[in-house]
Parts: sequence; structure tokens; C-alpha cells
Amino acid sequence: QSVLTQPPSVSAAPGQKVTISCSGSSSNVGNNYVSWYQQLPRTAPKLLIYDNNKRPSGIPDRFSGSKSGTSATLGITGLQTGDEADYYCGTWDSSLIAGVFGGGTKVTVL
Amino acid sequence: EVQLLESGGGLVQPGGSLRLSCAASGFIFSNYVMTWVRQAPGKGLEWVSSIDDGSGHGTYYTESVKGRFTISRDKSKNTLNLQMNSLRAEDTAVYYCAKGCLGRNYGMDVRGQGTTVTVSS
Repeated sequence: QSVLTQPPSVSAAPGQKVTISCSGSSSNVGNNYVSWYQQLPRTAPKLLIYDNNKRPSGIPDRFSGSKSGTSATLGITGLQTGDEADYYCGTWDSSLIAGVFGGGTKVTVL
Repeated sequence: EVQLLESGGGLVQPGGSLRLSCAASGFIFSNYVMTWVRQAPGKGLEWVSSIDDGSGHGTYYTESVKGRFTISRDKSKNTLNLQMNSLRAEDTAVYYCAKGCLGRNYGMDVRGQGTTVTVSS
């Protein structure tokens, strides 16, 4: 049971948009920065979004992040087959004094 | 370019020990919190431990490894370490080191390919 809640899977056709939610509480998402990670099959996780909505250099603007209250959202527009991967949100939990991840969301391009 | 190279994984019996290392380059190592995360086979990401920047006086652990794992950093060698004792089957995972920390500015950035730890008799 993960501290942060993500849907297990989302899917859409190529070119469409998907959003992935990450629900937490005031001790984690509500008061700390959220980051998002993409993990392609059999590879290490890659930082997609940091500080809720910032993209590292080299990450296309098809990927976006937002946060409102105790929930964060990752958006992917112009979906491509290469976007098929597992996506994780992560942040710090100030009550647990520990890092926490969501359970991960598998994105499927139909 | 930021590079993180993990090493030290392997096969160990339950109750045994391993020491993981992560060689860092391409950034000022002492300026950053450093983190270990792991991924058990077929499972999601799990935060394991983080250590404060500078002298690394502050250390933080996930509950399941407290008292068994010790994170440390050697600023003279730009190396992050994870001493793992009393290993259990459930510690079997790929271990990644990362620059930064979840929840803080700039997030946590995984750059290496990880090192595999298998705990089995």
C-alpha cells in the first residue's frame, strides 16, 4: 500500500492526451515538491518533472506537471508509442520523515 | 555531465552483508543530498535512504531497513555508500543511487543503471 495513490493504468491512442493523478496528504504532496519519473521497460527511472511543474533539460514540453492541494498531476500530450512506460510520482513525507512514491501507473498507447 | 555509477551488488545469503558504492562525477558532490532507492523484481520504486549534503550528519531510512542499513558519504572520493547488514529476501532488488532528494528543490535524479542485490540461500 503506497502512501501516494496513482491509478494502476491509463491508455489512449497515439496523438491523444493522458493525465496521471497522484493523491496524497498535507504531510507529503500538500507541503513538499512533487517529482515525476518515467521508467521504460528494463531501464532505470528517469526524472521527468521536478518542483511540481519544471522539466529538466531535454524533456519535451509534451510532458507537464501541476499540483493543487494534496494532489499532483502529470500530463502527456501528443502521445507516442515511445511513451509506453511506468510513471511514478514521488515526494517527501514530513510526518514519516521519509521519501515516498506512488505505486506507479502504466501508460499504454492503443 | 552528471554521472552516477553504482557497484557492489551480488548474491548473498540471508543474514549476510553487502556494501554498495556510488561514484559521482559531473557536479559538486558535497553540495547535494544523496539518495538510494530500490526496485524489487516486478514491483514499484521504493525510497531507501537519504543523507544530507556537506558532512552528511543527517541520515534518513525507510522503516524496514532501520538498524540494518547505514548510508554514508566520502567527500574526498565523491562516493556514496550503503552498508547493508542482516540482509533478508525482501531486500532483493535493483538499487539505484540518486542526486538530490524527494520533496526538495530539483527533486531526485537517478542517473546510473543500478546494481542488483539478490538475497537467497
